Amino acid sequence: GQNIDQPTEMTATEGAIVQINCTYQTSGFNGLFWYQQHAGEAPTFLSYNVLDGLEEKGRFSSFLSRSKGYSYLLLKELQMKDSASYLCAVRSAGNNRKLIWGLGTSLAVNP
Amino acid sequence: ETGVTQSPTHLIKTRGQQVTLRCSSQSGHNTVSWYQQALGQGPQFIFQYYREEENGRGNFPPRFSGLQFPNYSSELNVNALELDDSALYLCASSLGTGAGELFFGEGSRLTVL
Repeated sequence: GQNIDQPTEMTATEGAIVQINCTYQTSGFNGLFWYQQHAGEAPTFLSYNVLDGLEEKGRFSSFLSRSKGYSYLLLKELQMKDSASYLCAVRSAGNNRKLIWGLGTSLAVNP
Repeated sequence: ETGVTQSPTHLIKTRGQQVTLRCSSQSGHNTVSWYQQALGQGPQFIFQYYREEENGRGNFPPRFSGLQFPNYSSELNVNALELDDSALYLCASSLGTGAGELFFGEGSRLTVL
């Protein structure tokens, strides 16, 4: 079967660093995405990893290990506006863009 | 702003009715995919259209159907609505198939009573 696991909820403090983990088991692998979704809004793209290693983009970084079926999203210098759901999604092999999504991690940033 | 627009933003239907949701893709994008997102869940892939043809489908019954037009805009049709169809329906556009990000619209929130 195909499965993506990520923690349901996390809490962190403004200015701190938080790491959100994602493990996956899918039939084929063609890239892993992280999206941010505020309540009632559409997901917005954060990062894309297809090769092993760390991708850094400002305050956000994403890491991938294909052999371990593992990724994490690292958020630095947390701000209140970072309170949102963070969705991990894996694109399966094949020519279409089918994404398999995790349930999302709801992050609460407290002052 | 992603350049992807969906309509209507909110609608209420009753069980057994039919609904059509619309999506205009970002300029130049020829691929549109549709997702259903229930409250507290991740999005679930419904289907994808590439150059007016369906080229991928998730585990949704045939009463979920779609269409893509020559200008690459798209429709999602749901017949015989059920209470469990209440969800946020997201449209995402992209250029071609393969690598790259999806650009999402703001979604259409459907409530079935």
